[in-house]
This record gives sequence, C-alpha cells and structure tokens, in this order.
Amino acid sequence: DAGITQSPRHKVTETGTPVTLRCHQTENHRYMYWYRQDPGHGLRLIHYSYGVKDTDKGEVSDGYSVSRSKTEDFLLTLESATSSQTSVYFCAISGSGRSYNEQFFGPGTRLTVL
Amino acid sequence: GESVGLHLPTLSVQEGDNSIINCAYSNSASDYFIWYKQESGKGPQFIIDIRSNMDKRQGQRVTVLLNKTVKHLSLQIAATQPGDSAVYFCAETPTTSGTYKYIFGTGTRLKVLA
Repeated sequence: DAGITQSPRHKVTETGTPVTLRCHQTENHRYMYWYRQDPGHGLRLIHYSYGVKDTDKGEVSDGYSVSRSKTEDFLLTLESATSSQTSVYFCAISGSGRSYNEQFFGPGTRLTVL
Repeated sequence: GESVGLHLPTLSVQEGDNSIINCAYSNSASDYFIWYKQESGKGPQFIIDIRSNMDKRQGQRVTVLLNKTVKHLSLQIAATQPGDSAVYFCAETPTTSGTYKYIFGTGTRLKVLA
C-alpha cells in the first residue's frame, strides 16, 4: 500500500453546492493526480500537480479546480456541482525513490450529485 | 461496489488456464507502460510495468509483452485463479516529455470460471 488516503469515501450532494475532495499521501511523492472514472471510459485526468503550488489541467478539467499547498495534500474542488460530475474520483501519486515512474492509486471517492 | 465499466470486453477463462489480456496503446512517444488490476469497489492496483527498451518482463505469475512496432501490450497470467477476477487495464506515458501524464485504456474484464 502506497500510503494514500482519500476523504470522504462517499458523498451525496445537491446541484449547485461546492464540494471539496481531499487526497493525502505519506510517501513524499512529487506528482499527484486527480482522475474520474465513469462506465465506458478509462480513467480520465482532471488535474495534476508536479510540486507544491504547481498544477496543470488534464483532459476533463472544466468545472474543477485544485490546490496543493503542501507535499502531502492535493485538494479537488467542484465550485458548483452538477449531475454530470457524479462519478468515482481517484487520486494517484508518483515520483519517489526507486519506483519513480510507478503510479499508485487511492481507494476512491464516490460522489453523487442530485 | 462501484461499476468500473458496464460494457467492457470480457475474457472468460477456466481456473488453472492461462489468460492473455491485450491493450493497444496510442502514443508512439510513450516509453513506460503499466498494467493495473481493479477489483469492484477498489482503486486500481499496480501489477507490473515495462519500459520501451524491453520487450518482455516477468513477475510472479504475470508476464508483460511489448511490441512497439504495432503499439501493442499484452498481459499474460499463468494458472489463473478466482482471485484474478477483476478489470485489467494498461497505462502509458512518455516519460521523456517530463509531464508524467498517463493515458489509460478502457479495460478488459477477466472472469475466472470454477
């Protein structure tokens, strides 16, 4: 286990409300990622971070923002949740030690937007 | 648990037989590849990786083959067991780009028949 936790693990919210998901790592990995996973699609990158305060957009970044104020934490925010953002969200990390390229995933957060 | 993919291609294999799961990758600049296993309700789990300077790599009961000419990866699982039932997908990244962004396949569901 690569020492990644996600919180909350499950959340139900209403359209138009803000939501923040947290990813926490204890492995000092440089890179952190947020993906969403939907039936019929592979994992799709939302945003990623290549260092503290350094982030970049992925392929499905509209409606999402991120922040990384310290190495351990990467926050994903839905400013105003929509039903199309109902999904399972995974955080991943990479970039440490001998396994620099290996990417490890957290357990996921299931988000339902009503 | 979460439904990873409702319409994924499915490979059904008798317990004890060998399984071969295929993946076509998209980016000819990709030089690092990972196979993941995802069980229902869980995050993807790293199985094995391979770099583009190799065409074969073996792990415990698993072998990955890489054919760069046709941009094809395969995962071979020897003596398939019930615990191998899961969705398997590949990921690719061009590490020389420095972005460490991964592209994921949609996956194949492996069903092990008793």
